Amino acid sequence: EAQVTQNPRYLITVTGKKLTVTCSQNMNHEYMSWYRQDPGLGLRQIYYSMNVEVTDKGDVPEGYKVSRKEKRNFPLILESPSPNQTSLYFCASSLAGASGANVLTFGAGSRLTVL
Amino acid sequence: KQEVTQIPAALSVPEGENLVLNCSFTDSAIYNLQWFRQDPGKGLTSLLLIQSSQREQTSGRLNASLDKSSGRSTLYIAASQPGDSATYLCAVRGSGTYKYIFGTGTRLKVLA
Repeated sequence: EAQVTQNPRYLITVTGKKLTVTCSQNMNHEYMSWYRQDPGLGLRQIYYSMNVEVTDKGDVPEGYKVSRKEKRNFPLILESPSPNQTSLYFCASSLAGASGANVLTFGAGSRLTVL
Repeated sequence: KQEVTQIPAALSVPEGENLVLNCSFTDSAIYNLQWFRQDPGKGLTSLLLIQSSQREQTSGRLNASLDKSSGRSTLYIAASQPGDSATYLCAVRGSGTYKYIFGTGTRLKVLA
């Protein structure tokens, strides 16, 4: 089954304790991206990647890091989490061709609470 | 800077009604526009994608239109059913970018 898998789905952590949220897709998609969803603010893009070793900032990159060492994986790293990073996080992927038909496929989400 | 607005924020309709959800964007230089459905506690499911060169797309009871010049897209749902109850979001990808800007969604409730 074609899918985007995120782990963990739920996480409670404390301020300053480094954590990584993993994202993996099995569709050979070039494009992958991370979003956070907050009440009243909608989804906001954190980082995206066009292909292996190619990443760029979205609208809210502060406090986050990403890496794209393999095509299928795009982990989100919070080096020193703070309470304002408490949010629902989504990973998504798509083809990156020039056809314009780049349907985004989303993971199920990771709910992160930073105390 | 691109801004995407969805009005109304919430909508309740009786089963069987045809309805229209609205999405407005401020910058007409877009690459594509996508409509998604989000069920409570779940991820987003893609419904329709309209490329910038297209005027509309259809899938089953859903029809999405795009008018770039006026900065608007509509999602038409025919013969609504209780199973259509969800939050509907639109997202715009800017021309020449891989940045997506999402609206805050319309929460739809279809009453049986």
